[in-house]
Order: sequence, then C-alpha cells, then structure tokens
Amino acid sequence: KAGVTQTPRYLIKTRGQQVTLSCSPISGHRSVSWYQQTPGQGLQFLFEYFSETQRNKGNFPGRFSGRQFSNSRSEMNVSTLELGDSALYLCASSLADQGVVNEQFFGPGTRLTVL
Amino acid sequence: AQKVTQAQTEISVVEKEDVTLDCVYETRDTTYYLFWYKQPPSGELVFLIRRNSFDEQNEISGRYSWNFQKSTSSFNFTITASQVVDSAVYFCALSEAGSGGSYIPTFGRGTSLIVHP
Repeated sequence: KAGVTQTPRYLIKTRGQQVTLSCSPISGHRSVSWYQQTPGQGLQFLFEYFSETQRNKGNFPGRFSGRQFSNSRSEMNVSTLELGDSALYLCASSLADQGVVNEQFFGPGTRLTVL
Repeated sequence: AQKVTQAQTEISVVEKEDVTLDCVYETRDTTYYLFWYKQPPSGELVFLIRRNSFDEQNEISGRYSWNFQKSTSSFNFTITASQVVDSAVYFCALSEAGSGGSYIPTFGRGTSLIVHP
C-alpha cells in the first residue's frame, strides 16, 4: 500500500504570496490532519478533516485554511505569507474518525521557505 | 505552562545501553490520549503507541516499553539495549478535548536520542 504523499516536497515563496499544499492519504483513510513544525514552536496541530468536514482545529489564524475532497485528498492553503510561516508542513492520515486520537500515518512533509 | 514537557532535550548513549525518555503532561480532562512518535533523520513521523486515560497498563513491544502513571501525570518511554537505528527525535503528545469539544493534540518539544556504536 502506498504511504501518505505530499506535494510539492519543497517550496519557496515570498512574503505576501499565497501557497497551496497537497496531501494524498493512504488508500481507504478518510481522516487527514495537518501539522506545522518549526524550530521555534515545535510541532503544532493545524486542523483535521474527515469525510470533507473539518473535525478539529488548532489555534492558527484564519490565513491558514484547508479542505478535503470526496476522494479524501486534502489541500491546505496559506494566504498572505509571512516569514514566520517558513516551516515543515506535515500531513497525516488515519483510518478512524478523530484521527488525532488514533494511529496516524505521516507523510514526508512539504518544506516551505518564505523569503 | 506547557501541557507536555519533555525535559530531556538530548540524550546520548552507547549502543546496548538502556535509555528512558521522560514525558510529563498536564490536563484537566478525564478523557485524553497520550502518544509517542519517532522522527528519524529522514523527517517522517512514525507512530509508536497510543494510550487512553482509562488504560494505565504498561506496555512492552520488543525492546520498547511504556510506563503510564496517572498519579504523576507521566508517560515514560524506555528503550532496552539501544541500537544505532534508534537514533531519532522522539515526541510525546497529548490529545484532549478543546473548548468546542474537538480534540486538539499538543506535542512536547522532543528528545533527541543519539546512540553511538
């Protein structure tokens, strides 16, 4: 079975731009969660989607948004990029609803650099 | 105050030594979930274990064991006879219900384990 895939793997943007990251979960998994990892703040939860509905949401500004499609693929969008948005963005999928309280499988991440 | 504290930033051991990674958490919920993840140099987080607040049984999986103690709000992780392949950053995490009833996971800052041959 293919693992969680994230595209692109690396991205460079400038301040003020917007960016869209993509995540394809493991086949059959309907829960997709997103996390941000930075040296300063560590690993932080962004949001979780299950069956196209946002189930859980972390404490991030509205510039961070996401969505999930009927095939369970998910995208997250960051608008009006700031230097502090430079991070590794990780996606995780789970077989169960409420993936954040169950076993999750992580992708390799997208490394976003904001200049 | 941090909800998940991993006081050990970095631990260095020699192969075959036993090592314990500490995790102390803070929550007011009666229902919560605790996790350990491994992040090897490749960067991909790997799920190791999940425990819910009602199950204080310790668990052993091969060279790995976990000690969950509600009385001290700790969920420690021990690797027996460490190997070089165990070198990674280990994260402890807590998922508890937020004000809206949804679950919010909080991660510790991680412990970097270096196992020397």
